[in-house]
Amino acid sequence: EVQLLESGGGSVQPGGSLRLSCAASGFTFTNYAMGWVRQAPGKGLEWVSHISGSGINTYYGDSVKGRFIISRDNSKNKLYLQLNSLRAEDTAVYFCAKWGADDPYNYYYGMDVWGQGTTVTVSS
Amino acid sequence: QSALTQPPSVSGSPGQSVTISCTGTSSDVGSYNRVSWYQQPPGTAPRLMIYEVSNRPSGVPDRFSGSKSGNTASLTISGLQAEDEADYYCVSYTSGNIVAFGGGTKVTVL
Repeated sequence: EVQLLESGGGSVQPGGSLRLSCAASGFTFTNYAMGWVRQAPGKGLEWVSHISGSGINTYYGDSVKGRFIISRDNSKNKLYLQLNSLRAEDTAVYFCAKWGADDPYNYYYGMDVWGQGTTVTVSS
Repeated sequence: QSALTQPPSVSGSPGQSVTISCTGTSSDVGSYNRVSWYQQPPGTAPRLMIYEVSNRPSGVPDRFSGSKSGNTASLTISGLQAEDEADYYCVSYTSGNIVAFGGGTKVTVL
């Protein structure tokens, strides 16, 4: 069974840092781009970042560029998101998602598997 | 990065059809077929319903269909059922590997 399981969420003060993890199973991890999508309380979904299967190419939304870092360890089938310089507006549920291909630009199959999410709360 | 525009809500009675629009620009929806739709019931993770404008992943009922005209993509739910009540989001993947989400549409089954 294809599965994604996020962890690492919690409460942190403004300016603090947190690292989220996503453990993948049931598919050949290195063959697919992976990403993070977040949802603030009562709000819609927002793209955060995604990374190619090899880990070489990374992409970020404007609201997190320069503060968040996406990475992956293909030997451990794990995806990470390092959250730095956190702000109150970063408070959200963070979902890990698998893209349907390593190169969504040329082979667009959408985000076909999602985790259940991990909650990040930024508050003083 | 501009968000795509969706109506906040649509509603219909069981058995009816509803259509959700997703309006972008000639730089995203209008230029690419990289449009997907996601269903999110309350308190759950999103689920892929449509990819590449009109393709359904396996397991998605055929009463869900997608289309595009110009800068607007659409999701139609035919034969509306109570279980279809959820929030729906469109997504466009554009040049520069930018991902844009719509603001979401709440579908209510009357």
